[in-house]
Amino acid sequence: DVKVTQSSRYLVKRTGEKVFLECVQDMDHENMFWYRQDPGLGLRLIYFSYDVKMKEKGDIPEGYSVSREKKERFSLILESASTNQTSMYLCASSPPDNYGYTFGSGTRLTVV
Amino acid sequence: AQSVSQHNHHVILSEAASLELGCNYSYGGTVNLFWYVQYPGQHLQLLLKYFSGDPLVKGIKGFEAEFIKSKFSFNLRKPSVQWSDTAEYFCAVNADNAGNMLTFGGGTRLMVKP
Repeated sequence: DVKVTQSSRYLVKRTGEKVFLECVQDMDHENMFWYRQDPGLGLRLIYFSYDVKMKEKGDIPEGYSVSREKKERFSLILESASTNQTSMYLCASSPPDNYGYTFGSGTRLTVV
Repeated sequence: AQSVSQHNHHVILSEAASLELGCNYSYGGTVNLFWYVQYPGQHLQLLLKYFSGDPLVKGIKGFEAEFIKSKFSFNLRKPSVQWSDTAEYFCAVNADNAGNMLTFGGGTRLMVKP
């Protein structure tokens, strides 16, 4: 069964901390994505990557960066966490033809 | 950039009622269309998808969706809902000018009363 695994289900961090959210997929997918999910706003794309060391900004990249050193791993970095980054973060992957994404279970991040 | 609108944010139905969730998108070119479902405490799952061909698409668990190009719509339907359909439903669009990116709607939270 194909899988996208996010390292933490729940996370609480302090304002100003540097936060790393990890995502690993075992499907050899080229494309990987980071979304945040907020009530009433749906899923909004933060960053995506279509190959190792490649990254593209999504709709809301401000305050975030990403790293993709290996094909299976895509990390989201909050350089200096702020309270407005409290959210559910979802990682997804897909093959190049984009026949549907596979999502991870999400990381609920609270910044206090 | 394309946008996706789901006009119903919360829907409450009794079991056996019929369901229709609206989804409209703004892009005028070729699109691939998706409905995802998120059951409480679970991750997002693909419900059904449309790429081409018959505009009436059948998915899992008795759901179907109809692509009406002239209305830029891809509404989700189910003739008789069950309590287990309680979930949040997301419409998503991949436009032909957006590479592999999906744009999601704001979601519709469905509650089915037993």
